[in-house]
Amino acid sequence: QKEVEQNSGPLSVPEGAIASLNCTYSDRGSQSFFWYRQYSGKSPELIMFIYSNGDKEDGRFTAQLNKASQYVSLLIRDSQPSDSATYLCAGESSGTYKYIFGTGTRLKVLA
Amino acid sequence: DVKVTQSSRYLVKRTGEKVFLECVQDMDHENMFWYRQDPGLGLRLIYFSYDVKMKEKGDIPEGYSVSREKKERFSLILESASTNQTSMYLCASSLVFTTTVGTDTQYFGPGTRLTVL
Repeated sequence: QKEVEQNSGPLSVPEGAIASLNCTYSDRGSQSFFWYRQYSGKSPELIMFIYSNGDKEDGRFTAQLNKASQYVSLLIRDSQPSDSATYLCAGESSGTYKYIFGTGTRLKVLA
Repeated sequence: DVKVTQSSRYLVKRTGEKVFLECVQDMDHENMFWYRQDPGLGLRLIYFSYDVKMKEKGDIPEGYSVSREKKERFSLILESASTNQTSMYLCASSLVFTTTVGTDTQYFGPGTRLTVL
């Protein structure tokens, strides 16, 4: 069974700190990984995708991928209360159109 | 901007009713997906479609069917609604599967919160 695992949290960080969200995956054939942010009662919105080993930066967000360790992370710098949400990690199910989603990590940024 | 719309934000139906959930995307995407999301269970794929009139079962297809008569529209049908189908239903779409970087990004609609009484 292909899986993507995340710690459900909540992860609490003070405003201005770096929030680090982590995810592991079991499908070694997965090439692409995605981070979505989901506010309570709303639908997921894409933050970033990554498919190469290493880091990818976009504004305050950095995604990191380590295929050898089957590990994906999302760093949020200068965290704001508006970043408080559930963050979903998803990996492509190799050879298909499908994603495998983690159950999400709830982030709370304390003002 | 990609736009995925769903016919209703909130829906209340009675047990045994036939329920139609509609999804429309305006980006000429080939792939469309229906998920349900429940607390603690995450997003679970019900059905997806990679072309007009083509469909494949996802992880939890029982009690559901789908229809894709036009490229931009993907409908989810609950043949006889039951209380355990009370959930948030999310539609998503993506471009053609690519072999270079993997599956293309999925974009989600706003969701339909369905309550079955």
